[in-house]
Amino acid sequence: DTEVTQTPKHLVMGMTNKKSLKCEQHMGHRAMYWYKQKAKKPPELMFVYSYEKLSINESVPSRFSPECPNSSLLNLHLHALQPEDSALYLCASSQDLQGRNSPLHFGNGTRLTVT
Amino acid sequence: AQRVTQPEKLLSVFKGAPVELKCNYSYSGSPELFWYVQYSRQRLQLLLRHISRESIKGFTADLNKGETSFHLKKPFAQEEDSAMYYCALSGRNKETSGSRLTFGEGTQLTVNP
Repeated sequence: DTEVTQTPKHLVMGMTNKKSLKCEQHMGHRAMYWYKQKAKKPPELMFVYSYEKLSINESVPSRFSPECPNSSLLNLHLHALQPEDSALYLCASSQDLQGRNSPLHFGNGTRLTVT
Repeated sequence: AQRVTQPEKLLSVFKGAPVELKCNYSYSGSPELFWYVQYSRQRLQLLLRHISRESIKGFTADLNKGETSFHLKKPFAQEEDSAMYYCALSGRNKETSGSRLTFGEGTQLTVNP
């Protein structure tokens, strides 16, 4: 299995809802990432996990809460989002953080709409 | 600080014509450069990495440290090359001992028949 799988593909939620995005990979990668991508813009890094520990938080608002239950899974818990949080949320993984030439493998993303 | 600049947001060429997507970077250390591609309705995927010095789908990219550039080239563009192309730089992060990937703004390539 050489893919990063994200669920759901689409999500519509109200500003008072609580929802979670899920990401899974079985490539044995030890680094996993959450990116946010607005239309026609590059992905913006949100969080990085390395060996199941949070390594980087790019000053993301606390209404986004990441979780890495094990080396294959990455979740993003959402609560009290704003309409401007509507975007494509991408999960990615790589073999490790420190290795040279360790490219990212991206999932298809979850298209989130906050109403 | 690390930065990636792709000066062209849009690039349009005819099928069979040569194409060059420009990428310049700013980084004080020894960078790792990548090209990622996003076809319509498909996931973002790696196209090339400078360390491999490979040719994928007819595309090549050479790292020029003197000009701090990593331009993507193809001698004969095909319609199926139409996509969004992102140049990306991976720089070592001293705080985390890891690397942070920085993307350029992207170039939308359209290859016309």
